[in-house]
Amino acid sequence: GEDVEQSLFLSVREGDSSVINCTYTDSSSTYLYWYKQEPGAGLQLLTYIFSNMDMKQDQRLTVLLNKKDKHLSLRIADTQTGDSAIYFCAERKAGNTPLVFGKGTRLSVIA
Amino acid sequence: DAGVTQSPTHLIKTRGQQVTLRCSPISGHKSVSWYQQVLGQGPQFIFQYYEKEERGRGNFPDRFSARQFPNYSSELNVNALLLGDSALYLCASSRTGGNTEAFFGQGTRLTVV
Repeated sequence: GEDVEQSLFLSVREGDSSVINCTYTDSSSTYLYWYKQEPGAGLQLLTYIFSNMDMKQDQRLTVLLNKKDKHLSLRIADTQTGDSAIYFCAERKAGNTPLVFGKGTRLSVIA
Repeated sequence: DAGVTQSPTHLIKTRGQQVTLRCSPISGHKSVSWYQQVLGQGPQFIFQYYEKEERGRGNFPDRFSARQFPNYSSELNVNALLLGDSALYLCASSRTGGNTEAFFGQGTRLTVV
């Protein structure tokens, strides 16, 4: 079956790196995503990675994928107070299939 | 370019009533998906429409229905509202049905009392 799991909370100091982890169970997942949700807002697509990749870097964001362990992580370098939000991991198979989300990780950045 | 727009932003309804939520996708995008996000949970898939046809349906009762119009905008209808239907309803827009990137609107916050 499909299931995406994330730890619920993470607290870091401003300027430190944040690492948000996610595990998924569907080995046929083709795309893996990270979305950010600020209070009272919709979801903002941060980045995504194809399952045939190990790593993707985009400015302060680094995504690592361990397909063998079905483990995805999002590293935010030099974390700022504006990064405080809920971060959702999501998976999707190829073709016309919906996103399957985890419950989200609430990141709190302490000044 | 405008992003995904949803209306209304907030809505309060009474149990048993019916509600219609609206979504306009990004210009040039032909696929619209609807998700329900209950407080403290991740979004759950309700429907996907592409080229005005239903392409996928999640595990929701028949009280939920949707449609897509020729201009690719979409409506989500929920009949016989229950307290448990209170949630943030999110619309996602993508260029095609199987497109990699899906962009979300700000959502409609529905409260059922």
